[in-house]
Amino acid sequence: GAVVSQHPSWVICKSGTSVKIECRSLDFQATTMFWYRQFPKQSLMLMATSNEGSKATYEQGVEKDKFLINHASLTLSTLTVTSAHPEDSSFYICSAVANGYTFGSGTRLTVV
Amino acid sequence: AQSVTQPDIHITVSEGASLELRCNYSYGATPYLFWYVQSPGQGLQLLLKYFSGDTLVQGIKGFEAEFKRSQSSFNLRKPSVHWSDAAEYFCAVGDGGYQKVTFGTGTKLQVIP
Repeated sequence: GAVVSQHPSWVICKSGTSVKIECRSLDFQATTMFWYRQFPKQSLMLMATSNEGSKATYEQGVEKDKFLINHASLTLSTLTVTSAHPEDSSFYICSAVANGYTFGSGTRLTVV
Repeated sequence: AQSVTQPDIHITVSEGASLELRCNYSYGATPYLFWYVQSPGQGLQLLLKYFSGDTLVQGIKGFEAEFKRSQSSFNLRKPSVHWSDAAEYFCAVGDGGYQKVTFGTGTKLQVIP
């Protein structure tokens, strides 16, 4: 079945630095990928829709300059959290449309 | 706009007992409905999905769900719960194709011996 590989699984970074999260579709081409964020004990909230070869579409309230999304190929989308702060600490997860929106395993970001 | 309601935040069941997790959705057309499970610190795993056809959907791990259009519901069921089923369960609705999915707030399942 369709597999989405997300790396890293967890990352700790210092406040003010940037962190890149990768999401790869391993056995299919994903023209569209979605990036979600999950705060502790809350549901997943869509941050942005990533389209191959074009600019991402961000949900209301999501800072596009802070959360940079690049979808340069049909198998790779990246989310870069720029100038990270402790309030950006969260669980980030990507998904692609394949067999009912296949999800990556998620990335736990902790900003200290 | 589409929305999903999971009225039960936390459910506790005994191992071996039956389980039903409730999900109600709001969507203008025929919805694409999903149930996902998330173990602590892990990603999401698809349990089952409904796009069309038979309204009783079978999924993995012995789960099933029934789509009831008249009630705007898509409840998840399992006849006999195992301790390994303890996790958080999310119901979700999509508007089909390559559009976004909206998640419910989740139901945390606790299984007691």
